[in-house]
Amino acid sequence: DTAVSQTPKYLVTQMGNDKSIKCEQNLGHDTMYWYKQDSKKFLKIMFSYNNKELIINETVPNRFSPKSPDKAHLNLHINSLELGDSAVYFCASSQEGLVEQYFGPGTRLTVT
Amino acid sequence: SQKIEQNSEALNIQEGKTATLTCNYTNYSPAYLQWYRQDPGRGPVFLLLIRENEKEKRKERLKVTFDTTLKQSLFHITASQPADSATYLCALDQGSGGYNKLIFGAGTRLAVHP
Repeated sequence: DTAVSQTPKYLVTQMGNDKSIKCEQNLGHDTMYWYKQDSKKFLKIMFSYNNKELIINETVPNRFSPKSPDKAHLNLHINSLELGDSAVYFCASSQEGLVEQYFGPGTRLTVT
Repeated sequence: SQKIEQNSEALNIQEGKTATLTCNYTNYSPAYLQWYRQDPGRGPVFLLLIRENEKEKRKERLKVTFDTTLKQSLFHITASQPADSATYLCALDQGSGGYNKLIFGAGTRLAVHP
């Protein structure tokens, strides 16, 4: 009965590779988010989708491309991975009209 | 842009005491402020929300205050327990057009000792 799930939990890859992280929520929420938490623990929003439509796109390199096949899923594809992409990536969701967000367990990405 | 400051140093307290964490922000006053808890290796968990017209909000042993004049929120945990040890994040909404865009502080790590 996991609310927000992400796969994989850990991802270790080499520079230059392309990888994807998947997120699913079973809460029936309309809005989903991707956050990046760096080594200093700052949690920063990257993207937000509402009913499959992109509504927030922060200053993120265009190597990062989110995709929402339906409102319960939000995937993140990263091209040409760089060392600086190493971080924990969190997916979250919220119900339209409410402000609290529900986070997934995170995906720890390590680029070597 | 909005900046949020939380005490970056860990807060160490004795079990049974009250823990008080501080969140200060700059620029405009948000309509509401949220507090989240994050345990190591896990995602943040929503705890409490307080609106700009509310001075104080309580939930069990948790209490949040919101002073829009001082641009500060205080988060209290009374009768603290070792299980309360975690990082606590303050978050403000910088969204527009009806969509939320949360800006988080770096968090304060709380350690409650038996």
